[in-house]
This record gives sequence, C-alpha cells and structure tokens, in this order.
Amino acid sequence: GESVGLHLPTLSVQEGDNSIINCAYSNSASDYFIWYKQESGKGPQFIIDIRSNMDKRQGQRVTVLLNKTVKHLSLQIAATQPGDSAVYFCALSTGAGNMLTFGGGTRLMVKP
Amino acid sequence: GAGVSQSPSNKVTEKGKDVELRCDPISGHTALYWYRQSLGQGLEFLIYFQGNSAPDKSGLPSDRFSAERTGGSVSTLTIQRTQQEDSAVYLCASSLRVTGAGANVLTFGAGSRLTVL
Repeated sequence: GESVGLHLPTLSVQEGDNSIINCAYSNSASDYFIWYKQESGKGPQFIIDIRSNMDKRQGQRVTVLLNKTVKHLSLQIAATQPGDSAVYFCALSTGAGNMLTFGGGTRLMVKP
Repeated sequence: GAGVSQSPSNKVTEKGKDVELRCDPISGHTALYWYRQSLGQGLEFLIYFQGNSAPDKSGLPSDRFSAERTGGSVSTLTIQRTQQEDSAVYLCASSLRVTGAGANVLTFGAGSRLTVL
C-alpha cells in the first residue's frame, strides 16, 4: 500500500527564520499533493496544494516544492511566526475516489 | 452551515458500550469523509460518502464500525461494543464533490474525541 512519511517529527525554529518541512512518498502514481496545518484541538486546515504537472507553487508566505524524480515534497514557510506553531501533514491522492493518504505529521515549534 | 460541525466534541464511555458520532458537513458539499487520529499519529482513512452512498468502506477497522448518511447531509459514525483501542479523535471532512474542481479540498471539523475506559 501507499506509504507517506516525514523526515522530521519535530522542528524547532526561531521566530523570523524560514522553516522547511519535508515529506517523502512511495506511490509514483500520486498526482495531487496537499499540505494541512493542524493546531491543537482543531481539525486540519488546508494550506496549499500542488498537482503533479507542477514542481513549485507559492502562496502567502508558503511555498510547496515537488520533486517527482525522488518522490519528495516540501513546505517552506517564510519568516516563521508564533502562529505557525502546529502539526503539519502532507497528504496525497492518486485521484481514485479522492482518498487522501496522510503522512505522520511534523510538529513545528516557533521560539520567540 | 459555515463549517463542518461535529458532535459530541468529547465522549467518555465504558468498554463495551455503543457510541454515535455525528457530522454535519458544509451545506452543498456532496462528499463526506471520516478519518481517525490516534494520539500523536497521522490521519487514518475510515470511509467516505458520495451523496448517501459509501463506495469505499475498506478503511473501517472492524465490523463494529458502521456509518450512514441520510439526505445527502448529516452522517453518523457508530462504534458498537467499544474497545480501549477505539480511543482516538474522529475527524469528519467534506468537499464540494468527489471528482473535478474542488474535489480534493477537504474542510475538516474539529473532531470528536472518544475515550474508552
């Protein structure tokens, strides 16, 4: 079956620094990738997505990079703020039935 | 409604009892999903609905778990004869449709935290 994993379970960064959260996947048929942010006591919240025909997409302070050759996905957060502290999940689908497979999550801690 | 609503937010029950968890999706969203999140873990897919039908029930952990959706809106996840390993946060999400534009953007509720003693 599909496996989605994260390199770092916990990432601690200084406020104002850039953060990079990584995700590896195994199914080369994956065609859609999403990053979710989950704050304590809340459900995951959509941050940004990217389709397999792209290798980079930018949002507000966030950038997602996709390297299909090595099956690697990353989320970059610029000028990290205390409000960015949360658990970040990567998720992917192959489009079939829209079932998302989620990674294990990385906890981002922002130090003031 | 404006968001996905789940109830109860917290449920403590005794082993062997049945529980029902409710999800009220965003109005107009035809697709509804149930996930389970154990402490410190990722999200485990349970089941999804397209309208009132559930094309994929493969994620349900055992036959003690069942779900239904009526009127293309509210869904109920039922766990019979609860076990301690059922303790988790049960998350519901909805999306505009299953395929096509807006299909993959899931909006999650805050979850129902189930504790089985």
